Amino acid sequence: ETGVTQTPRHLVMGMTNKKSLKCEQHLGHNAMYWYKQSAKKPLELMFVYNFKEQTENNSVPSRFSPECPNSSHLFLHLHTLQPEDSALYLCASSRHHRYEQYFGPGTRLTVT
Amino acid sequence: KNEVEQSPQNLTAQEGEFITINCSYSVGISALHWLQQHPGGGIVSLFMLSSGKKKHGRLIATINIQEKHSSLHITASHPRDSAVYICAVRGNTDKLIFGTGTRLQVFP
Repeated sequence: ETGVTQTPRHLVMGMTNKKSLKCEQHLGHNAMYWYKQSAKKPLELMFVYNFKEQTENNSVPSRFSPECPNSSHLFLHLHTLQPEDSALYLCASSRHHRYEQYFGPGTRLTVT
Repeated sequence: KNEVEQSPQNLTAQEGEFITINCSYSVGISALHWLQQHPGGGIVSLFMLSSGKKKHGRLIATINIQEKHSSLHITASHPRDSAVYICAVRGNTDKLIFGTGTRLQVFP
């Protein structure tokens, strides 16, 4: 247990669906991250939040919409996804940006 | 070419063997991380280092800044060490850049 939880652990959705991924950290950290991990590719950083403010968006398509209502919670809202968006989505947190990151278990997303 | 390259991509070993995984990078960095990812996805940070050597139990990580190279060693390997080991560097732009990982399988 790293202190970072993600729900759901598995998600299958159609291309016209809208769903949300949730991440919660119980570590008192101030930075939170969304990563995408596709098969045979390196982890890709999607978004970074510092003290609830988005500080990084790595050219992520608008069909992915993050939300950070407070330092403990991070959401990734999904709509009109494509099959190539199927991947493992990992959330992480750290005390501050540039500090060691703690990862959640990930959500395995399949877009049909 | 990726900015972070790991070798080998896949590694199999017998229980008890000494294992080395290598990471080379081509950018200036402020820190290098070694991460472990077990089947099922969860990632655990093993080491964060910017110089020299760190040891934790049977794991040892070294870095040579001049040669832009790091190694992760596992002594007396065990089947529970089977996982994907990922090298990541924090570049001068502050972003973490990840390698593609080394898949290790240790057989009893």
